[in-house]
Amino acid sequence: NAGVTQTPKFQVLKTGQSMTLQCAQDMNHEYMSWYRQDPGMGLRLIHYSVGAGITDQGEVPNGYNVSRSTTEDFPLRLLSAAPSQTSVYFCASSPTGNGYTFGSGTRLTVV
Amino acid sequence: GENVEQHPSTLSVQEGDSAVIKCTYSDSASNYFPWYKQELGKRPQLIIDIRSNVGEKKDQRIAVTLNKTAKHFSLHITETQPEDSAVYFCAAKGSGGYNKLIFGAGTRLAVHP
Repeated sequence: NAGVTQTPKFQVLKTGQSMTLQCAQDMNHEYMSWYRQDPGMGLRLIHYSVGAGITDQGEVPNGYNVSRSTTEDFPLRLLSAAPSQTSVYFCASSPTGNGYTFGSGTRLTVV
Repeated sequence: GENVEQHPSTLSVQEGDSAVIKCTYSDSASNYFPWYKQELGKRPQLIIDIRSNVGEKKDQRIAVTLNKTAKHFSLHITETQPEDSAVYFCAAKGSGGYNKLIFGAGTRLAVHP
């Protein structure tokens, strides 16, 4: 199993550009989440999903969209990138909602 | 919604000493409390977790205790080693039908030889 795979690993965007961060898992996990990590602020939940077709907002959803058309994939879309979205983004998955496994992260810089 | 506070933000100990990190949560219906370790430049990894029907859980040198009445839980690391140096995060899973896992801000632990 590859586990949780995130692409790209690094990305630089210009303010106003849009992009999609990819997340895929091959463990047949129903639960998937996106977090952003900023210095001194821990891991903040952006959006999460409890199964294909079901998503909900987390603590900091503004500026981000998600969809879950398959069990395997949970992409995160930045609609119009802002410097405040410079962060490390982690995707995580779980079979039960407990014991999440994290991907290796995407380091995003918005200039 | 759920709010998790974690203390201290930094902790420095000598090798062989014990380390304790404490977290409080706001949602009394929370029922799952994991701890993650994140080494520099790497992903968070689950090291231990506890459910609300258990007061204490141990795994070798690490243990977690839960006080549901006071809504706080703690991570205890005994006989610390330099490889324990990392950032540690606590988290709590909120109530309701959905499973929001909310994290604390983290504790940077430094173990000095």
